[in-house]
Amino acid sequence: GAVVSQHPSRVICKSGTSVKIECRSLDFQATTMFWYRQFPKQSLMLMATSNEGSKATYEQGVEKDKFLINHASLTLSTLTVTSAHPEDSSFYICSARGQRGGSTTGELFFGEGSRLTVL
Amino acid sequence: AQKVTQAQTEISVVEKEDVTLDCVYETRDTTYYLFWYKQPPSGELVFLIRRNSFDEQNEISGRYSWNFQKSTSSFNFTITASQVVDSAVYFCALFTTNAGKSTFGDGTTLTVKP
Repeated sequence: GAVVSQHPSRVICKSGTSVKIECRSLDFQATTMFWYRQFPKQSLMLMATSNEGSKATYEQGVEKDKFLINHASLTLSTLTVTSAHPEDSSFYICSARGQRGGSTTGELFFGEGSRLTVL
Repeated sequence: AQKVTQAQTEISVVEKEDVTLDCVYETRDTTYYLFWYKQPPSGELVFLIRRNSFDEQNEISGRYSWNFQKSTSSFNFTITASQVVDSAVYFCALFTTNAGKSTFGDGTTLTVKP
């Protein structure tokens, strides 16, 4: 089946540095990618939706200058947490929706998630 | 607006018991998809099932079964003869083509004790 790969799975960084998380669709073209944030013992909170080649659409309350999203190709989207602070520590998960066999599927494929710890 | 409600925050059962996880959704769209995902302690999301709004057939996959009822806007998930490995957080999600994004319930933490 389709696979979405996320990298790195874990990252620890110092406060003030920037961290980039990659999300790749391995065997399908991801026309739309979604980035979620999950706090401990909570649900997934949608941060932004990105369509290939266009600017991401951010959910209300999500700082677009803080969380830079790039979806430059049909197989790669990146989330960059700029000037990270301890409160940015969280589990970030991407998902992708795309086309297989000529039809758009409603199914979403999730990456493995990336756990960010900011010291 | 769309919403998913998983009223059960935590459920604890003893191995071999059957358990049903409830999911109630709200949407004005006529075309939508419902999902169940499992999130084990390791954190990754494991896809379990997808149902589209035009297919109300119930489904069984091994020990898992799903009951989709549009009349009550519910998409409940039953695990038969639960096992310790079923312990995880289970999320129900709704995706509508109009909104183009998913909404997740708050999740139900299932603990299966030996």
